[in-house]
Amino acid sequence: RKEVEQDPGPFNVPEGATVAFNCTYSNSASQSFFWYRQDCRKEPKLLMSVYSSGNEDGRFTAQLNRASQYISLLIRDSKLSDSATYLCVVPTTGTASKLTFGTGTRLQVTL
Amino acid sequence: DAGITQSPRHKVTETGTPVTLRCHQTENHRYMYWYRQDPGHGLRLIHYSYGVKDTDKGEVSDGYSVSRSKTEDFLLTLESATSSQTSVYFCAISESVDEQFFGPGTRLTVL
Repeated sequence: RKEVEQDPGPFNVPEGATVAFNCTYSNSASQSFFWYRQDCRKEPKLLMSVYSSGNEDGRFTAQLNRASQYISLLIRDSKLSDSATYLCVVPTTGTASKLTFGTGTRLQVTL
Repeated sequence: DAGITQSPRHKVTETGTPVTLRCHQTENHRYMYWYRQDPGHGLRLIHYSYGVKDTDKGEVSDGYSVSRSKTEDFLLTLESATSSQTSVYFCAISESVDEQFFGPGTRLTVL
């Protein structure tokens, strides 16, 4: 099983919609999880960190389900500017300073 | 934005030639990383550094070498470029596993 897996999408949603992405991870000992956002032809940037059951920042909510080993990202009231690829990221198994990146889920928000 | 630059930003080279990519930071972060990003694979770690002259291999290190003689600079060298090394290369820096800051990327094409 890969360390982290994501549905590549694309998810095509209208402006104002709510959309959720899931990400599964293999290392049950992981204590921290991250969502990065990557715009087309740009570098990834940290969107949210998740250390316990979840985290919320405005329209974005990240939730962790340890029993099923997945994390989700919920985006409410989608904006055109939310169109991007969202990368699920976990610490690499057995290390303290490396991250393993998922292949990303692409979101396209339309009018 | 974190002070991290990459040079060159674009490069086209021929098979068999040596290529060196430079990552420069002004944040004095301890850790520096080189990734490559390819469709369907996401970001994959090539090499990383945890201090001056301290480096280690990532998951796709074959054909690449690195050097870090100063805190601020991390060089990635392709000793003899191959077409399979055509990719987008990202440098990243961090002080902890919590967040990595990425440079703008280098698009390398090997003909």
